[in-house]
Amino acid sequence: EAGVAQSPRYKIIEKRQSVAFWCNPISGHATLYWYQQILGQGPKLLIQFQNNGVVDDSQLPKDRFSAERLKGVDSTLKIQPAKLEDSAVYLCASSFLDFPVDGNTIYFGEGSWLTVV
Amino acid sequence: AQKITQTQPGMFVQEKEAVTLDCTYDTSDPSYGLFWYKQPSSGEMIFLIYQGSYDQQNATEGRYSLNFQKARKSANLVISASQLGDSAMYFCAMREGLGEKLTFGTGTRLTIIP
Repeated sequence: EAGVAQSPRYKIIEKRQSVAFWCNPISGHATLYWYQQILGQGPKLLIQFQNNGVVDDSQLPKDRFSAERLKGVDSTLKIQPAKLEDSAVYLCASSFLDFPVDGNTIYFGEGSWLTVV
Repeated sequence: AQKITQTQPGMFVQEKEAVTLDCTYDTSDPSYGLFWYKQPSSGEMIFLIYQGSYDQQNATEGRYSLNFQKARKSANLVISASQLGDSAMYFCAMREGLGEKLTFGTGTRLTIIP
């Protein structure tokens, strides 16, 4: 079974530029997450989708970050304009069920590493 | 207050020895789940083990076991017979109540010494 696919793996941009990251979850997974992991910290949830609807985007900086999952499958996370503090790894994850039960495991991709200079 | 606390920023362990990675949590919700993930240098978060708050027995998955002490609110990961490939960052995470969001700790960097 293929895992969560993300691209690009690495991106270096100047501040005030824009960037987009793409994620394709595990086939059949209803729930998709975007996490931000700053160096030396644990991942922090930015946004959670169930199918193509947003469940939680309370920690998404909406003035510069946007995300969509139009057909309930793959997703795009965009940052515009980027700031220095956006330098981080952006992890996409997915889970099978669209409702929480014990042990509903969340599977992560390898992440997209962003450096803003 | 931190919901997940990992007090060991780094650990060095001799190959083949057992190692315990500490994790304490804070929640008032009676229903919660605790997860451990491994993050090698490649960046992917690899799921290791899960413990539900109502589970009566400690979870085990191969060389991984979770020492769940509910009254102390601790969920330590035990790795038996450590291998060089175990060198990585290890994160403890919690899901509370009906939510699916995971809250992560700051991680422990484990280095296995040959």
